[in-house]
Amino acid sequence: QVQLVESGGGVVQPGRSLRLSCAASGFTFSNYAMHWVRQAPGKGLEWVAIISDDGSNKYHADSVKGRFTISRDNSEDTLHLQMNSLRAEDTAVYYCARDPFKRAAAGWNYMEVWGKGTTATVSS
Amino acid sequence: EIVMTQSPATLSVSPGERATLSCRASQSVSSNLAWYQQKPGQAPRLLIYGASTRATGIPARFSGSGSGTEFTLTISSLQSEDFAVYYCQQYNNWPLAFGGGTKVEIK
Repeated sequence: QVQLVESGGGVVQPGRSLRLSCAASGFTFSNYAMHWVRQAPGKGLEWVAIISDDGSNKYHADSVKGRFTISRDNSEDTLHLQMNSLRAEDTAVYYCARDPFKRAAAGWNYMEVWGKGTTATVSS
Repeated sequence: EIVMTQSPATLSVSPGERATLSCRASQSVSSNLAWYQQKPGQAPRLLIYGASTRATGIPARFSGSGSGTEFTLTISSLQSEDFAVYYCQQYNNWPLAFGGGTKVEIK
């Protein structure tokens, strides 16, 4: 069955870095665009980033642009989120999610399948 | 940037009753709107995409309607497992954006 398993969360000090990973199984990973979505404690959902099936197109939310980078390794069926210069407001559960389509383009992209999430806490 | 506004923030409904949730976009998103359900401690689940198409395995009591800037999610007869938070999301423009959510609670 389709499965997404996030890892890499933890407690980190402000200004430091964290790299999240999402292991995919049960489907052909290289055929789908992928997302990261986060949820701060007690808050709603916030879209973070998307990457196309082959990694050629990426978009990041303004709140993380220049600090976070989405990437993927199709040979390992793994999605990554490199998070640098972390701030307290980045504290959240981070979900990876599969898109129904290959491309990352306006008018196409929503989240069809979700992982259970990994928690990143930024605190001194 | 498109802002998505959901109302009400909380909806109190008795089991078996109908629930109507609203989602408004600050500018037209055509029919590029999805709805998700999230239960406490769980990941969100896709319910509706394209404003009105049910995702695989979603019961027929869930229906979506609307286009442009006004959208509605209707749950025709609330079951115990439907008490949750519901989010809308537009995917017509970058950045993708979620509404703030509507919590459906037991009356």
